[in-house]
Amino acid sequence: SYVLTQPPSVSVAPGQTARITCGGNNIGSKSVHWYQQKPGQAPVLVVYDDSDRPSGIPERFSGSNSGNTATLTISRVEAGDEADYYCQVWDSSSDHLYVFGAGTKVTVL
Amino acid sequence: QVQLQESGPGLVKPSETLSLTCTVSGGSISSYYWSWIRQPPGKGLEWIGYIYYSGSTNYSPSLKSRVTISRDTSKNQFSLKLTSVTAADTAVYYCARASDGSGSYYFWGRGTLVTVSS
Repeated sequence: SYVLTQPPSVSVAPGQTARITCGGNNIGSKSVHWYQQKPGQAPVLVVYDDSDRPSGIPERFSGSNSGNTATLTISRVEAGDEADYYCQVWDSSSDHLYVFGAGTKVTVL
Repeated sequence: QVQLQESGPGLVKPSETLSLTCTVSGGSISSYYWSWIRQPPGKGLEWIGYIYYSGSTNYSPSLKSRVTISRDTSKNQFSLKLTSVTAADTAVYYCARASDGSGSYYFWGRGTLVTVSS
C-alpha cells in the first residue's frame, strides 16, 4: 500500500515560515490534501488538490507538490498555528484507498 | 452547510462488536463518498473505509476482515460495525465526507471516543 512520510515535528518562531514535507513515491502525480488538527478537535482541511485553499483559510497557508515530495508552507506563523498537520492522498492506483501521513507537530517557539 | 454527528456506545467489551452511526444533515448521502476515520489516543489518523452513494464500499486492508459500513438513505445515516474488538481499537472515531475526484475531506463530525475495556 502507498506510504506517506512526514517529519514528526517542526519548530518555528512567530513571524517566520514553517515548511512541512510529505514524502511518497511519485506523489507529484497525485492530489495532496493537508489538515490541521488542534487538541480535542476534528481535523480541518487547510489545503486541497496540492495548492487550493478552502473558503476561510488564510492565504498564509499554501501548498506545492512535485516529484516525491509535497510541501505545506505556513507563512508569517502565529501562535494559533500550533497544531498537528496531516497530509493525505487518494491512492486511485491501489483499490482507491485513502492514505494519511503520520502527522507533524508544529510548535511555535 | 453539511453537518455530521457520530453516535453510539462509548464503551465496548473486548471481543464484542463496535457499532456507530453517523447522521448527516444539510445534505443527502445519495452523493459523494462517506467515510469512517479513527484516531487512537495520542496517535495519527487512520482511514477505515467508505461507502459510496451507489452503495459500494471499500475498506482498509488492515481492517477489511472485521469492518462493515452500511447506510440507511431513508434516515440519511451511515454506520460502522467493527467486530472482535481489542484494546487496540480504542480511538476517537470520526465520520467524514470525501469529495468526488481527488478525495479531500472537507466535512467532518466532531468525533466520538470509543473505549474497549472489560
